[in-house]
Amino acid sequence: QKEVEQDPGPLSVPEGAIVSLNCTYSNSAFQYFMWYRQYSRKGPELLMYTYSSGNKEDGRFTAQVDKSSKYISLFIRDSQPSDSATYLCAMSVVNQGGKLIFGQGTELSVKP
Amino acid sequence: DADVTQTPRNRITKTGKRIMLECSQTKGHDRMYWYRQDPGLGLRLIYYSFDVKDINKGEISDGYSVSRQAQAKFSLSLESAIPNQTALYFCATSRTGGFNEQFFGPGTRLTVL
Repeated sequence: QKEVEQDPGPLSVPEGAIVSLNCTYSNSAFQYFMWYRQYSRKGPELLMYTYSSGNKEDGRFTAQVDKSSKYISLFIRDSQPSDSATYLCAMSVVNQGGKLIFGQGTELSVKP
Repeated sequence: DADVTQTPRNRITKTGKRIMLECSQTKGHDRMYWYRQDPGLGLRLIYYSFDVKDINKGEISDGYSVSRQAQAKFSLSLESAIPNQTALYFCATSRTGGFNEQFFGPGTRLTVL
């Protein structure tokens, strides 16, 4: 079993829809939870991160962490065609040199 | 602009050939990483380096070697390439300490025939 599991999709939604992306994990020592966005033929870029549990909001994006269930989510409100990309969750343990464990990535397509 | 660059961007080679992928950064970061990305498997860490004298194996280091020539340069070598090393390779950098966001290069698409 992989330490971090993510449904690879693909996921296709109409413009304006609310998108929910999710990851589960098995290592209870993870403390940093990240979402990276990767456009086609580009490297991943950090979208949001959360330390420990709770929610974090940034514009149309909300990241949630539920450590009791070992489950993290990224919500995108009012999705736009420009949100079409692959979304990768990533996690790390504090004081392990920034080593990231990535999920498989979910390919999202937002149709106009 | 501060950036992470990778060369070459695309490479096709044959089984058994030695290949070197190069990464340079102008961000002034101490830490550098090499990942490979495969469909359905996400990004997996190959090697990472905290500074010029500190190099560590990652999750999938077999068949690969690295060299940290300077703070700004980190190279990945495939001593004898095999077809299952066909993948997208990314270099990344980060600062030391605290939450260290990793900044990725544009990637190298490697095909081993």
